[in-house]
Amino acid sequence: EAGVTQSPTHLIKTRGQQATLRCSPISGHTSVYWYQQALGLGLQFLLWYDEGEERNRGNFPPRFSGRQFPNYSSELNVNALELEDSALYLCASSYTSGGNQPQHFGDGTRLSIL
Amino acid sequence: AQRVTQPEKLLSVFKGAPVELKCNYSYSGSPELFWYVQYSRQRLQLLLRHISRESIKGFTADLNKGETSFHLKKPFAQEEDSAMYYCALKGWETSGSRLTFGEGTQLTVNP
Repeated sequence: EAGVTQSPTHLIKTRGQQATLRCSPISGHTSVYWYQQALGLGLQFLLWYDEGEERNRGNFPPRFSGRQFPNYSSELNVNALELEDSALYLCASSYTSGGNQPQHFGDGTRLSIL
Repeated sequence: AQRVTQPEKLLSVFKGAPVELKCNYSYSGSPELFWYVQYSRQRLQLLLRHISRESIKGFTADLNKGETSFHLKKPFAQEEDSAMYYCALKGWETSGSRLTFGEGTQLTVNP
């Protein structure tokens, strides 16, 4: 079974630009989650999508947004990039949003802001 | 609010010694607890979850609601256990499916 795939692996941007990160969940998974792993801050929850709808978001400003497509893949968009947005962005997926379904993670996209 | 604390950023043991990675949590409802592991140059992967009460790679973890802890234990550490370990909590009642992670413990098993 193919795991969660994320693209690109690395992304370099400058302040003020916009970044788009992509995630394909494991086949059959309908929920997609985004996490930010910034240096010294650990893994922080960003967004959760299920069946095409945003279900929950973490404590991040509105310039962090995303969407989930009918095939359950997802995009994370970050507008007006700031230096502190430099981080590893992890995507995870699970079968359903409820119960004790574990989340399976991708390798991440390393976003660097110059 | 839900919170996960892993008090040790670094833990070093010798091969064959017992190892315990501590995890404490705060959550007012009924949490689901997980341990994730990240080996060098690999993705974050699920190690075990409290609800399944299983042993994976010799590791076990018991949820202690009285002490609000979910410590990870292994009686005899192996060199291949060297990795970063994260404890995570899912608090369905208040925050749905999101995971709240601890800051992680880097375990090194010396030969």
